[in-house]
Amino acid sequence: QSALTQPASVSGSPGQSITISCTGTSSDVGSYNLVSWYQQHPGKAPKLMIYEVSRRPSGVSNRFSGSKSGNTASLTISGLQAEDEADYYCFSYAGSSTLGFGGGTKLTVL
Amino acid sequence: EVQLVESGGGLVQPGRSLRLSCTGSGFTFGDYAMSWFRQAPGKGLEWVGFIRGKPYGGTTEYAASVKGRFTISRDDSKTIAYLQMNSLKTEDAAVYYCGRVEWGSYYLDVWGKGTTVTVSS
Repeated sequence: QSALTQPASVSGSPGQSITISCTGTSSDVGSYNLVSWYQQHPGKAPKLMIYEVSRRPSGVSNRFSGSKSGNTASLTISGLQAEDEADYYCFSYAGSSTLGFGGGTKLTVL
Repeated sequence: EVQLVESGGGLVQPGRSLRLSCTGSGFTFGDYAMSWFRQAPGKGLEWVGFIRGKPYGGTTEYAASVKGRFTISRDDSKTIAYLQMNSLKTEDAAVYYCGRVEWGSYYLDVWGKGTTVTVSS
């Protein structure tokens, strides 16, 4: 069972915006600004998209943004494109030197 | 180019052991924490554990699901992190990935392509 809760699937049309939520507790997401987001295409390794809640690594499109409110972190993708179709995972420090992923969200671009 | 390459996967019988390797290149390997993850077929990502970099003592932490059966170690002279898996169960079958940890922020900025472990009699 995943430590963090994500919707199993979200969908959107090209050009639209979507948001994926990642709900934890006051012991993980709520206590630390250490949430990161990963994109994974089928058969590929994950790719870092957002770190420290809202920071974007060099080379990642500014269509990807992150935020946090209370115990819930969110990943927003604006101007949806076909290549954004993938699985997305949130990841957080959970205290006591442990880490945890969300269960993953499958994004479908209609 | 910063790179991680996993190796050592294969078919193993339940109850047996297997050691995976993660070879790093293009960065000062010893300065970084290294982490292992796995993904069972059709399932999500699961954190397995990590080993701190030399500046932080090279100590290890594990997920509850593998604690006591799996051991992470490192040989910085060879730029390799290892995952020793003992008493393997069928539910340990997965693609195993290693990742470079940005210490203090706990995000993985570099990932390997993974190595597949199959546990079956």
